[in-house]
Amino acid sequence: EDQVTQSPEALRLQEGESSSLNCSYTVSGLRGLFWYRQDPGKGPEFLFTLYSAGEEKEKERLKATLTKKESFLHITAPKPEDSATYLCAVQAGSSGSARQLTFGSGTQLTVLP
Amino acid sequence: NAGVMQNPRHLVRRRGQEARLRCSPMKGHSHVYWYRQLPEEGLKFMVYLQKENIIDESGMPKERFSAEFPKEGPSILRIQQVVRGDSAAYFCASSPGFAEQYFGPGTRLTVT
Repeated sequence: EDQVTQSPEALRLQEGESSSLNCSYTVSGLRGLFWYRQDPGKGPEFLFTLYSAGEEKEKERLKATLTKKESFLHITAPKPEDSATYLCAVQAGSSGSARQLTFGSGTQLTVLP
Repeated sequence: NAGVMQNPRHLVRRRGQEARLRCSPMKGHSHVYWYRQLPEEGLKFMVYLQKENIIDESGMPKERFSAEFPKEGPSILRIQQVVRGDSAAYFCASSPGFAEQYFGPGTRLTVT
């Protein structure tokens, strides 16, 4: 069974204080690893897709990296508007069920002004 | 370019009633997925559909739940004889193929 574990569960940062969120995974046949952002009362917003170890993607203050066992979401000089829950999800396998996403429980990020 | 649309956004049902949740995928997307987010729990996959076909329903409860994606119109998630444990946020997502899934705003179901 695919497993995704995110840490920490919650993270409080001062504005400008850079940090990283972790997503470790155990899957059979990774097809892709996805990062989403979810604000309270809203649906997950797509951020990044990573397909193979060594791959990196960047968007504004966010940078996602992937190894064979985990992914990191680096947040550089965060702002209060970056406060949200960040979700990691994996897509694995080769059958028709390979399209479902298995989500971690998320990291709730709070950036204080 | 409109995103994934879901309605209603909030739905209140009494125990034993039926709940119907609708989802219109993004333009050009033919793959639809339903996920459920129970209070204090993560997102869980329920079902994956293409037009007129259920591809994977491995996450769907065996009883009372059904889903469809007809040739015309939105995808429907139906919950019959709702119970309090069905109270959750139900999210629909769509994708153009083997790619990232884009989520709608969700339907928050409350069973009283």
